[in-house]
This record gives sequence, C-alpha cells and structure tokens, in this order.
Amino acid sequence: GQQVMQIPQYQHVQEGEDFTTYCNSSTTLSNIQWYKQRPGGHPVFLIQLVKSGEVKKQKRLTFQFGEAKKNSSLHITATQTTDVGTYFCFPGGATNKLIFGTGTLLAVQP
Amino acid sequence: NAGVTQTPKFQVLKTGQSMTLQCAQDMNHEYMSWYRQDPGMGLRLIHYSVGAGITDQGEVPNGYNVSRSTTEDFPLRLLSAAPSQTSVYFCASSLIPGTGAYEQYFGPGTRLTVT
Repeated sequence: GQQVMQIPQYQHVQEGEDFTTYCNSSTTLSNIQWYKQRPGGHPVFLIQLVKSGEVKKQKRLTFQFGEAKKNSSLHITATQTTDVGTYFCFPGGATNKLIFGTGTLLAVQP
Repeated sequence: NAGVTQTPKFQVLKTGQSMTLQCAQDMNHEYMSWYRQDPGMGLRLIHYSVGAGITDQGEVPNGYNVSRSTTEDFPLRLLSAAPSQTSVYFCASSLIPGTGAYEQYFGPGTRLTVT
C-alpha cells in the first residue's frame, strides 16, 4: 500500500530562520495537500498541488510537487511565532483510504 | 454554515463502557472520515465513508464501529472502551477524493479519556 514519510519529525528554529518539511511517497501520487494544525486545534487546509513540478506560493510559504509526483515540500521563509504548529502532508492516490503523513512539528523561538 | 460539528467536546469513560461520538456536516459532502490523534502523534484513519450506506475500514478500525444512514451524519461508536483508546478524535468531511479540490474540513475534535 501507499507509504508516506515526512521529515523531519521536529524542527526548532529561531524566529526569522527558514524552515522546510518534506513528504516522500513510495508510489506516484495523483495530488497532494498540506495542512497546518496549531497546538490544541484541528488541521486546517493550506493548499492542494496537482501538476508535476507545480510550485505555489502563499505569502512566506512555498509549496512544491516533485516532477515524478512522488514527493513534495513546504518551505517557510523567515519564520514567525505564528507559524508554530504541526504541518501534515495528505497525499492523494488511487484509493479513498486517505492517510496523512506523519507530520512535522515546528517550534519557533522568539 | 456550521461546517463540521462534533459532540461531545470532552468525555471520560470507564474501561468497558460504550459510547457514540457524534459528527455532522452541513456542506452536502459525500466523503466523511474519522481520525484519532494520540498526544504528540499524527492522525490515524479509523473509518471512512464515500456516501450514505457505504463505510470502510481505515488504518486502525479495531474497537470502533461506524454507520452512515444519511449524508450529514457519521457517528463513531466505541464498543467497549479501553485505556488505549484515550485520544483526540477528529471527524472530517470533503467532496469525493479525486473529484477536483477535495479540501478536508475538520471538526473541533472530541477529547476522550478512558480510565
């Protein structure tokens, strides 16, 4: 079945530093979504990528979908304390059994 | 629109008790799912449904039952609660995956403790 690894599990940065999390799949994906979960909250949708090599930006966040559609990344430029939380990838494949990536917990020190 | 609602917000059960976690959505979404999230961990899929009358197992279905008699409601039943089921439970809904943008809308969660 589909296996998705997300790295790193945890990242601690100083405010203003950049941050990147990676999502790697063992199978080709039809699309991939990214979610953010603030501490104590529920996951909230950020973006969906569909096309091979696609790059999308939301202010300081840059999302990429790999050329082979097996990996994706989320990059945050100049982190702020409001970026704290866990970032999950959510790969879409050939099944309705949708399983989240393991998540990356981002801590930002002021 | 209320979006996805879950009740109760908090629940404490004794081992062996049964209960039903309620989930409802008012967005006419066909796809609904239940996840559990243990402290400091990720989201694990328990059960999901692609429409009324259709349910299927996720990654960790043991100890849980679901039913989908209407499009709006997707209750999760714990048959005989165990301490290992202490977790936060999230319900989510969306359009059918693969039909374009199927953003998952999550409820606020139910925090369950089994003693």
